[in-house]
Amino acid sequence: AQSVTQPDIHITVSEGASLELRCNYSYGATPYLFWYVQSPGQGLQLLLKYFSGDTLVQGIKGFEAEFKRSQSSFNLRKPSVHWSDAAEYFCAVGGRGSQGNLIFGKGTKLSVKP
Amino acid sequence: EAGVTQFPSHSVIEKGQTVTLRCDPISGHDNLYWYRRVMGKEIKFLLHFVKESKQDESGMPNNRFLAERTGGTYSTLKVQPAELEDSGVYFCASSPLTGDNSPLHFGNGTRLTVT
Repeated sequence: AQSVTQPDIHITVSEGASLELRCNYSYGATPYLFWYVQSPGQGLQLLLKYFSGDTLVQGIKGFEAEFKRSQSSFNLRKPSVHWSDAAEYFCAVGGRGSQGNLIFGKGTKLSVKP
Repeated sequence: EAGVTQFPSHSVIEKGQTVTLRCDPISGHDNLYWYRRVMGKEIKFLLHFVKESKQDESGMPNNRFLAERTGGTYSTLKVQPAELEDSGVYFCASSPLTGDNSPLHFGNGTRLTVT
């Protein structure tokens, strides 16, 4: 079955600390992978995506993610977290021809301590 | 450019009533999607329009849900009659018709509460 697992429901980090949000997927075809962020009261905003090529992708707001096919993972990282990064983060997978029919994980809520 | 707009932002209705959610996509975006997030669960795909045509409605939960996109512009999602399990946040997204590489632009969602 196709699915996305975000094992951490809630993470708290101190401002300035590094961050890694985990994402594992199960998908029958070559995956297209996405990370979205939802700030309170806002819609989902695309942080970055992976379709092919370099497995380390850079996104907006200083985020990056690494695609590891052998581990079926697409973890999101940021070297130094800012208070404004507090939000909920969603990993999603789709495939060629799936258009916008994406499969999302349950999300990880990030809190940032001053 | 104006983003994806959804109305209303919140709706509280009683079980058995009807509710209509509206989505205005970004102008010129032919793809329009509806998603739903039930409390504590994943965001789930409901359906996809290309212009006024339903491209994929595999995620629609049952026939109490009716989506339309007359004229290929805004879309409505009607729930009739609403049940308690329909509570959640309904997201709309749009993208231009340029293939899989087009990112989805999401609206802020409509939070539906059925009591």
